Amino acid sequence: SQTIHQWPATLVQPVGSPLSLECTVEGTSNPNLYWYRQAAGRGLQLLFYSVGIGQISSEVPQNLSASRPQDRQFILSSKKLLLSDSGFYLCALKGQGTEAFFGQGTRLTVV
Amino acid sequence: DQQVKQNSPSLSVQEGRISILNCDYTNSMFDYFLWYKKYPAEGPTFLISISSIKDKNEDGRFTVFLNKSAKHLSLHIVPSQPGDSAVYFCAASAVGGWARDNYGQNFVFGPGTRLSVLP
Repeated sequence: SQTIHQWPATLVQPVGSPLSLECTVEGTSNPNLYWYRQAAGRGLQLLFYSVGIGQISSEVPQNLSASRPQDRQFILSSKKLLLSDSGFYLCALKGQGTEAFFGQGTRLTVV
Repeated sequence: DQQVKQNSPSLSVQEGRISILNCDYTNSMFDYFLWYKKYPAEGPTFLISISSIKDKNEDGRFTVFLNKSAKHLSLHIVPSQPGDSAVYFCAASAVGGWARDNYGQNFVFGPGTRLSVLP
């Protein structure tokens, strides 16, 4: 079965510091991978999606970037965090079926 | 402009009664709809889905209804249980043909409705 590993679960970072969140998946090959953000009191906003290695599409302009160095690895990064980057970040995959499956999320607090 | 709307940010229901969560969408290219349930500090979990070729899909206590002409879907939970208390997200996707190629099979989520089932 498909599983998603996302870490860390919580992270507190100072403004201006770099960020790297990692997501790895198992049990599927060539999945579509997604990064979502849930800001306080808001829904799920799609940040990036990837249909394959090295293929990244950005949905909204922002301070973040994403990379997919391997088929089952999706990384969310920032060179300098802003206060507004605080939120709950979710990695998701879409395999052979039509549903997306989510990881457990990372709670990022920028201070 | 929000393509998927959930106009009720919160809903309170008595245990044992029916919970009805509503969702509206604007993009007629969406042809697949999903409901996700989310507890605090956890990722959303898939609950139930419906294809645009159907108007109803049922799974245990959960039923989703789709009204394509109104671009409206709803999730019914009967009977509601305290463990159902969570945030429910409606999501839409375009899985077929042109829409899939152009939307990359992405999911557009609504803002969520917080359901509280009172004992």
